[in-house]
Amino acid sequence: SFELTQPPSVSVSPGQTATITCSGHKLGNKYASWYQQKPGQSPVLVIFQDTKRPSGIPERFSGSNSGNTASLTISGTQAMDEADYYCQSWDSTFWVFGGGTKLTVL
Amino acid sequence: QVQLQESGPGLVKPSETLSLTCTVSGGSINGYYWSWIRQPAGKGLEWIGRISTSESTNYNPSLKSRVNMSIDTSKNQFSLKLSSVTAADTAVYYCARDRGGRSFDFWGRGTLVTVSS
Repeated sequence: SFELTQPPSVSVSPGQTATITCSGHKLGNKYASWYQQKPGQSPVLVIFQDTKRPSGIPERFSGSNSGNTASLTISGTQAMDEADYYCQSWDSTFWVFGGGTKLTVL
Repeated sequence: QVQLQESGPGLVKPSETLSLTCTVSGGSINGYYWSWIRQPAGKGLEWIGRISTSESTNYNPSLKSRVNMSIDTSKNQFSLKLSSVTAADTAVYYCARDRGGRSFDFWGRGTLVTVSS
């Protein structure tokens, strides 16, 4: 079955660039999306169709997808970006989520 | 602004059926898919399934045998039924608007369902 693999945790210093990866078989042939979830809140879509940002999402969030890996990049990371991030993709008839990555800003 | 609100019992007994409804406001339910997602405490997101306004459905293969979804466009509502529940089904259940390639752009606040006798 199709699976998406994310690192459990990523750490970044304020102002630096954070990159979170999501790996899956031939993921580059599918669309990848990314969600941000802060404690006690619902997930928020930050990237869809690999690289597109919904209205209201800061420009520091960007995405890419090629080969077997999709990536979410946060440039100039701020303390408010500390959260769990989930990748997502569609596999023929069902949605799959990655296991999630906890981003720590320290 | 589209808003979604989950509703239903917060406590379900083992072996019984979990039933939840999601009410959509601020926009039409027509023309979209609508998904259910769940999240056990401290764990990741799991997609349960989706339904379109033409009642086409897709379900997570791991839950397919226990899941049934329905939709009532006249009430702007869609529903989830999960049968034969166990403690492993305890989770926060979310509903979301599923725009296919544009992913899940609006989510409900989630509702905690506990399976316990």
